[in-house]
Amino acid sequence: NAGVTQTPKFQVLKTGQSMTLQCAQDMNHNSMYWYRQDPGMGLRLIYYSASEGTTDKGEVPNGYNVSRLNKREFSLRLESAAPSQTSVYFCASSDLSGVNQPQHFGDGTRLSIL
Amino acid sequence: KQEVTQIPAALSVPEGENLVLNCSFTDSAIYNLQWFRQDPGKGLTSLLLIQSSQREQTSGRLNASLDKSSGRSTLYIAASQPGDSATYLCAVKGYSTLTFGKGTMLLVSP
Repeated sequence: NAGVTQTPKFQVLKTGQSMTLQCAQDMNHNSMYWYRQDPGMGLRLIYYSASEGTTDKGEVPNGYNVSRLNKREFSLRLESAAPSQTSVYFCASSDLSGVNQPQHFGDGTRLSIL
Repeated sequence: KQEVTQIPAALSVPEGENLVLNCSFTDSAIYNLQWFRQDPGKGLTSLLLIQSSQREQTSGRLNASLDKSSGRSTLYIAASQPGDSATYLCAVKGYSTLTFGKGTMLLVSP
């Protein structure tokens, strides 16, 4: 009963380093999302993939890239990490069989950039 | 641009009280409104989803209402329990994405 799995759970990077956050879902969902959550800012959408083979920018895409590897997996890459990218990152998925489907969230990746 | 506001930002009540959390949004062109719960250090758990054509949804002690024309939703929690302590987030769905409020942090004391 895994749902949405994110790895790693915690990561500390130095400014300028790169890394990829991984996300996988086992619910056969079409749509996947990456959010960041910052104190006082709420959740903000970085990128999403409405279906396999498509990706679109959200509210705060600068400094990030994404790859929809297959239907199950959606990764988020920071090419050159900056302190402003210190945040908690959440991956989510939803079924597109109808527009009124809830999103299911992973437990997040806590990322600190020094 | 859609904006979602939740009031109050924090709420502390004794166990057993009934309480109401408020959510307002600026653009009434929505597909649905969702209420989520977030426990510390965890992801979000979907509680209720109200479609734009619906007025309310109920699940156990939770009841959520939607007035799309006025851009408002309320989450009613009956007979609150310490286990209800969490942050509650409201989100509205536009064409393809969700816009979230900043949440209401609820503390229910025994």
